[in-house]
Amino acid sequence: IAGITQAPTSQILAAGRRMTLRCTQDMRHNAMYWYRQDLGLGLRLIHYSNTAGTTGKGEVPDGYSVSRANTDDFPLTLASAVPSQTSVYFCASSPDRGAGELFFGEGSRLTVL
Amino acid sequence: GQNIDQPTEMTATEGAIVQINCTYQTSGFNGLFWYQQHAGEAPTFLSYNVLDGLEEKGRFSSFLSRSKGYSYLLLKELQMKDSASYLCAVIDNDYKLSFGAGTTVTVRA
Repeated sequence: IAGITQAPTSQILAAGRRMTLRCTQDMRHNAMYWYRQDLGLGLRLIHYSNTAGTTGKGEVPDGYSVSRANTDDFPLTLASAVPSQTSVYFCASSPDRGAGELFFGEGSRLTVL
Repeated sequence: GQNIDQPTEMTATEGAIVQINCTYQTSGFNGLFWYQQHAGEAPTFLSYNVLDGLEEKGRFSSFLSRSKGYSYLLLKELQMKDSASYLCAVIDNDYKLSFGAGTTVTVRA
């Protein structure tokens, strides 16, 4: 079934540790995104990629990095996790940036202690 | 930054109609989306408006007024499965998609 796969679905992490959330899509979409969702704040864009080889900063990029080596994969890395990064993280894709609906992965629930 | 406002919570009875309003102030406008999100799940696409007027899709309709910076999502013949959060999202002139905080709708029997 075509779509977006995220891993892990849930993770508890000690503060200061490095963590990479994986995201893979098989729809050949050019644009991919990482959002975090916190109660009362809604979805906030962390980083995005318009096409393979390019990335851009969203609304809340500090403490996060991304790479887009190919069309399908868009990993999100927390270099040194802090408790404020406890959140649900959603990866999404669209045919092109600003064009067409977003397709979301099932989310990764991250708890930083 | 972008400003997208929608009510936090709404409650309605099964079979009734509920209207969820969304007002926005953004750096330009290139379209407005509504998404549905059930608890613990990913958001799923409901509707897209780029021109003024009403878009109808089954029990769900979405309205847009660009001059007023206003949209609403209308849910008719409410069913228990419609209990979810409804997210309003706007694309600005830089083609950045920003979301409101969401409206949690509870449908009661």
